[in-house]
Amino acid sequence: QVQLVQSGAEMKKPGASVKISCKASGYTFTNSFIHWVRQAPGQGLEWMGKINPGDDVTTFGQKFQGRLTMTTDTSTSTVYMQLSGLRSEDTAMYYCARVGDGFWRWFGPWGQGTQVTVSS
Amino acid sequence: DVQMTQSPSSLSASIGDRVTITCRATQSITVYLNWYQQKPGKAPKLLIYGASNLQSGVPSRFSGSGSGTDFTLTITSLQAEDFASYYCQQTSSTPPSFGGGTKVELK
Repeated sequence: QVQLVQSGAEMKKPGASVKISCKASGYTFTNSFIHWVRQAPGQGLEWMGKINPGDDVTTFGQKFQGRLTMTTDTSTSTVYMQLSGLRSEDTAMYYCARVGDGFWRWFGPWGQGTQVTVSS
Repeated sequence: DVQMTQSPSSLSASIGDRVTITCRATQSITVYLNWYQQKPGKAPKLLIYGASNLQSGVPSRFSGSGSGTDFTLTITSLQAEDFASYYCQQTSSTPPSFGGGTKVELK
């Protein structure tokens, strides 16, 4: 079945960078966009950006321009999301999500989430 | 960018109640509207796509309606496992955006 498995929790100091992986399985990796969404404690869902593993073209939310990088490794069907210049407000659960097949561009499945904590 | 506004932000209901959550877009998104359920500590799960299409495996007590700017998620008879947060999402244009969420709690 289609599955996304993310790397484990991270604890970082302000100003550092974090790199999270999202390993896909159960489908042709290059055929579907992967999006990243984060959720601060007790808050809603915030879209960060997307990557097309077919050509590595990325689109980022304006809020994250200059701090966000997304890359792929097609040999392992893995997407990487790196966020630099971390601050306390970046403490959140980070999710990757595949765009589902078909017309409506819904997200599914989602990875299990990676908790990132930024604290001095 | 399209902004999504959900209401209410929270509600209290009892088992068997009919629950309605609304979502409004700042511009027409035709039917590019999806609904997700999220339980504490878990990733969101797709319920409805294309405004009214039930995702495979989702109970038929969930339904969605609407087009343009106004959308509704209805749970016809609330079950214990439905106490969760619900989010709408527009995928008509980039950036895709989410509503602020609705937390459904036990009365």
